[in-house]
Amino acid sequence: KAGVTQTPRYLIKTRGQQVTLSCSPISGHRSVSWYQQTPGQGLQFLFEYFSETQRNKGNFPGRFSGRQFSNSRSEMNVSTLELGDSALYLCASSPTEEETQYFGPGTRLLVL
Amino acid sequence: AQSVTQLGSHVSVSEGALVLLRCNYSSSVPPYLFWYVQYPNQGLQLLLKYTSAATLVKGINGFEAEFKKSETSFHLTKPSAHMSDAAEYFCAVSSGGYQKVTFGIGTKLQVIP
Repeated sequence: KAGVTQTPRYLIKTRGQQVTLSCSPISGHRSVSWYQQTPGQGLQFLFEYFSETQRNKGNFPGRFSGRQFSNSRSEMNVSTLELGDSALYLCASSPTEEETQYFGPGTRLLVL
Repeated sequence: AQSVTQLGSHVSVSEGALVLLRCNYSSSVPPYLFWYVQYPNQGLQLLLKYTSAATLVKGINGFEAEFKKSETSFHLTKPSAHMSDAAEYFCAVSSGGYQKVTFGIGTKLQVIP
């Protein structure tokens, strides 16, 4: 089976812009979670979707949003980008909410 | 509430020596505990997990970890380090499930030839 894929792998944006990141889970996986990884804060949970519904949400401002489609692919959107949003954004998928997550390679976002 | 503390952001060992990466957790309910490894420019790979079964958990690449409730610890060990073990290791906890996982800050393991 193909692993979790994330596109794009690298992205450069400027402050104030918005960005959309995409995640394609492993075939058959219905749960998708997003994490932000920065050197200072480490890995932080953003949100989790299961069958197109957001089930859990981390402590991030409303500028961070996401959605999941009927084919389980997920997107996350960050509006009004700030310098501090520069990070590696990781997506993880699992067959259900009660099974191990498998991580993608991440999208590295740089905000200038 | 749940949290993880990884002791030592950088650990260096000689090739062939014991690897010991320390992790202490806090959880208000029986936890699920995980160790992940991250190689440069890659995502996280699950090494092993504890989900309330056997307290000694064996994972991939010769790693194992022991859940000690009295010490709230879940330290990762490997008897003999290989050069290929050089990576960053993350301990993680979730309160009784696989979602909304809280990660530690990570420990970078350097293996010296």
